[in-house]
Amino acid sequence: AQKVTQAQTEISVVEKEDVTLDCVYETRDTTYYLFWYKQPPSGELVFLIRRNSFDEQNEISGRYSWNFQKSTSSFNFTITASQVVDSAVYFCALSAFYGNKLVFGAGTILRVKS
Amino acid sequence: GAGVSQSPRYKVAKRGQDVALRCDPISGHVSLFWYQQALGQGPEFLTYFQNEAQLDKSGLPSDRFFAERPEGSVSTLKIQRTQQEDSAVYLCASSSLGREASYEQYFGPGTRLTVT
Repeated sequence: AQKVTQAQTEISVVEKEDVTLDCVYETRDTTYYLFWYKQPPSGELVFLIRRNSFDEQNEISGRYSWNFQKSTSSFNFTITASQVVDSAVYFCALSAFYGNKLVFGAGTILRVKS
Repeated sequence: GAGVSQSPRYKVAKRGQDVALRCDPISGHVSLFWYQQALGQGPEFLTYFQNEAQLDKSGLPSDRFFAERPEGSVSTLKIQRTQQEDSAVYLCASSSLGREASYEQYFGPGTRLTVT
């Protein structure tokens, strides 16, 4: 069975602080995909990143970076110099293969205060 | 271009009523997914279509839930004899297949169902 755990229910930071959202996953599959989605107050899930299990390179996109460590089954997400517009619920998700159903974690509420 | 659209955006139903939720996927997208998101939780998979074929319905919580996609485009999720525990946001997502496919799931805004 697949499972995604986001232990941080809610995080509050002050603007310009760096923040890391944790994600731990469980799967018996040797090939799998990991995702991060953002859900702003409007409710629509916005895709942020996809990573496959063969690629453990970290990725940076602007203020966003992701750290994938297969040895610890973690796929953590860091926002550098947070902004108020980053306030949202962030979900980590897992799929057995690309295009398959997503298994989501419970989400982490991020509040960035000015 | 147009994204995934869902209607209605909000639905209030009395317990025992039947409801129908509509999803219009991105034009040309072969795959369509339905998810249920309870308050304060992550989305949970309900069912999956590839064109008109329902390939996976393992997430449907009971036989009161039924989904269809008769022409391989628009999909309807129907809930019969609604119960209070059915109150949730129902999300639809679509993705493309093929050589140029990204397989990315694009989500609609959801339908918030409240059963009173």
